[in-house]
Amino acid sequence: AQSVTQLGSHVSVSEGALVLLRCNYSSSVPPYLFWYVQYPNQGLQLLLKYTSAATLVKGINGFEAEFKKSETSFHLTKPSAHMSDAAEYFCAVSASGNTGKLIFGQGTTLQVKP
Amino acid sequence: SAVISQKPSRDICQRGTSLTIQCQVDSQVTMMFWYRQQPGQSLTLIATANQGSEATYESGFVIDKFPISRPNLTFSTLTVSNMSPEDSSIYLCSVLTPVQGQSYEQYFGPGTRLTVT
Repeated sequence: AQSVTQLGSHVSVSEGALVLLRCNYSSSVPPYLFWYVQYPNQGLQLLLKYTSAATLVKGINGFEAEFKKSETSFHLTKPSAHMSDAAEYFCAVSASGNTGKLIFGQGTTLQVKP
Repeated sequence: SAVISQKPSRDICQRGTSLTIQCQVDSQVTMMFWYRQQPGQSLTLIATANQGSEATYESGFVIDKFPISRPNLTFSTLTVSNMSPEDSSIYLCSVLTPVQGQSYEQYFGPGTRLTVT
């Protein structure tokens, strides 16, 4: 079975500071991993995904994530936070391959302070 | 890419009634899904909408409560039947589309915000 744990339901950073959102996964098979962002009253937007290629994945809006098998982690980072990054972020794992059946973490709300 | 629209965008319904949510995609897609996001919680997969056959439901979800139709490759409906306040959620349609090579991209609709009173 697969599962995802996002550490920290709320993260607050200052504008210009490093963003680090933590995600740990559990999977009995090689996982496909995803980060999605949800802005208020909007749908989900894919930030980036890991599908067994390069372990460092670059996404949109300056975000990147590194797949670390030994740590079963897929943390999301951005060197410098912008006010527009304030949103809900979800880490997800695919049940097996890229099937569309995603198991989501509980989400992390990112607050960016001026 | 795929552009997904959902109707209605939101609704307030009385308990015991049913609501049908529509999902329209701007291109033909093989795989369509319905997810639920309960207040303050994460997303949970309800079912896979199969074109021309019965939907495949995840554990904890049943056809009598969430009947799904998929008449073609661009459209699906999800009905929330005999609603109770616990059904208050955002319901999202999602599709999987092939991109170059053998990769796929997954897109989500804007969601339907349902409140049951």
